[in-house]
Amino acid sequence: GAVVSQHPSRVICKSGTSVKIECRSLDFQATTMFWYRQFPKQSLMLMATSNEGSKATYEQGVEKDKFLINHASLTLSTLTVTSAHPEDSSFYICSAAAPGRGSYEQYFGPGTRLTVT
Amino acid sequence: GIQVEQSPPDLILQEGANSTLRCNFSDSVNNLQWFHQNPWGQLINLFYIPSGTKQNGRLSATTVATERYSLLYISSSQTTDSGVYFCAARNSGNTPLVFGKGTRLSVIA
Repeated sequence: GAVVSQHPSRVICKSGTSVKIECRSLDFQATTMFWYRQFPKQSLMLMATSNEGSKATYEQGVEKDKFLINHASLTLSTLTVTSAHPEDSSFYICSAAAPGRGSYEQYFGPGTRLTVT
Repeated sequence: GIQVEQSPPDLILQEGANSTLRCNFSDSVNNLQWFHQNPWGQLINLFYIPSGTKQNGRLSATTVATERYSLLYISSSQTTDSGVYFCAARNSGNTPLVFGKGTRLSVIA
């Protein structure tokens, strides 16, 4: 099946610093990737849609200057949390679709748990 | 956008019991997926089922697209089935999946 990886799986950073999370599609090309955020005991909420070679589309209420998304290749998208604050602590999950496989199925990475101290 | 609702929000089962989880969606879909989120947070893809019926071991799922609902059946539940089950759907092109709030299942021995 299609595999999506994320790195790192867990990160702890100090308030005010920036953190970069990588999302890779390992065995398929992903023209579109999605970034979700999940707070404890809640569902996944879409943050942004990332298209290869163009600017990301952010959901309402998500600060584009705080959550920088870069989709520089067909297999890699990155999310950078800038000037992180404790309220940014969350579980971040990326996802990609592989339309070339003939379906609309979406594949998810294992997630990155961010803790800001 | 599409709305996804799941029921029940919480479910407690005795080991060996069967259960049915429901997912209602507000629009026609080209994708509906069921996930189990494990204790480490990873989403385990159970079914890709925009329509029809599929089975995988003790789990099966049915989506009735014309009536805008999907059901996930768990038979002979085991303690390892515990966790949160999410339904997610999308209704056009390459738009992202929208998640329901999940059903938190606890299977007790």
